[in-house]
Amino acid sequence: AQSVTQLDSQVPVFEEAPVELRCNYSSSVSVYLFWYVQYPNQGLQLLLKYLSGSTLVKGINGFEAEFNKSQTSFHLRKPSVHISDTAEYFCAVSRPNAGGTSYGKLTFGQGTILTVHP
Amino acid sequence: SAVISQKPSRDICQRGTSLTIQCQVDSQVTMMFWYRQQPGQSLTLIATANQGSEATYESGFVIDKFPISRPNLTFSTLTVSNMSPEDSSIYLCSVVRGRRNNEQFFGPGTRLTVL
Repeated sequence: AQSVTQLDSQVPVFEEAPVELRCNYSSSVSVYLFWYVQYPNQGLQLLLKYLSGSTLVKGINGFEAEFNKSQTSFHLRKPSVHISDTAEYFCAVSRPNAGGTSYGKLTFGQGTILTVHP
Repeated sequence: SAVISQKPSRDICQRGTSLTIQCQVDSQVTMMFWYRQQPGQSLTLIATANQGSEATYESGFVIDKFPISRPNLTFSTLTVSNMSPEDSSIYLCSVVRGRRNNEQFFGPGTRLTVL
């Protein structure tokens, strides 16, 4: 079984500051890694995902994340945040099946609420 | 992206009653799932909705409490049976459209409050 720990439940930052949202995972097998964002009163939206290949993954809205296998981490970063980035962010993992595809069975972290202040 | 709608978007129900939540997708999808997000907690997978057969439930979830149907490739229902206040959660439908690109999408959720 796998588990996900998001180390910060809330992260307040000022507009145009950089931000890092931390995510660590635990798994005995290889995993796929995801970051989702949930804006107020909206559904989950995929920011980015790591399946294989380059450990630096770029996503939408200027976000990126780096997969670090030795530290079992997948931290999310953005060099300069905007007010509109205020939302809850979820890190998630899934276990590839034998065919190498993910079948949607995600294990989520507890979520990090990012609040961007003017 | 896949457009997913859920009905109802929210409801307030009495203890002991049941509520059926519908999930409709605008195109055929490979797999459909139901997740729960309890207040202040993360999302937890309830089950995989299988077309034409019984759903596959995760540990801690049973068919008698959460019966699921999936009559075709674009529609599924989740029923929360014999509700108690502990069932107050957001219930989300999720779909995977392809087996290669891991395109997974989530519906807007159904916010359920049980009194």
